[in-house]
Amino acid sequence: GDSVTQMEGPVTLSEEAFLTINCTYTATGYPSLFWYVQYPGEGLQLLLKATKADDKGSNKGFEATYRKETTSFHLEKGSVQVSDSAVYFCALSSDSWGKFQFGAGTQVVVTP
Amino acid sequence: DAGVIQSPRHEVTEMGQEVTLRCKPISGHDYLFWYRQTMMRGLELLIYFNNNVPIDDSGMPEDRFSAKMPNASFSTLKIQPSEPRDSAVYFCASGKSSYNEQFFGPGTRLTVL
Repeated sequence: GDSVTQMEGPVTLSEEAFLTINCTYTATGYPSLFWYVQYPGEGLQLLLKATKADDKGSNKGFEATYRKETTSFHLEKGSVQVSDSAVYFCALSSDSWGKFQFGAGTQVVVTP
Repeated sequence: DAGVIQSPRHEVTEMGQEVTLRCKPISGHDYLFWYRQTMMRGLELLIYFNNNVPIDDSGMPEDRFSAKMPNASFSTLKIQPSEPRDSAVYFCASGKSSYNEQFFGPGTRLTVL
């Protein structure tokens, strides 16, 4: 079945450091890929998405490129802020019913 | 747009009591999903609906759990009787079509004593 694997956390960084969170997937067909962010005490919010190979999703300084050849969708940000501290979830949708597969989540902690 | 609305935001109850969680999806969305989030098991899909019809309830942990969607603007998740291991944050999410993003509510934090 479809699945998503993302790097385990916590990832601890200093402010202005470069962030990468690895995400790989297995899926039949051509899934849409997503990154969600969850701040403490809140629900998940869509951060960015890509719907086909080589698409790049971007938002709030975050980027991820849909790589079909490596079945990956790594999240990157060039200079993190303390406010980026959150849990990040990689997800895919390949089900015509709209069902998602979520990764386990990666906690990111940014220190001043 | 008000987003997905869930109530209550927090619920504390005692073992054996019935618990009902409520969700109002975004207007016009055809899909509704119920998730449970715990530290141990992460984010789990419990059940989802399309056009108010349950499509897959294989994630519902036990017969104590039930969900309904009587109309396009309201859904409930009921636990009867509740147990301490049901303590978790329960999220409702809605989506407009397949392959598109899901929009999550703020969640209900359930504590069963």
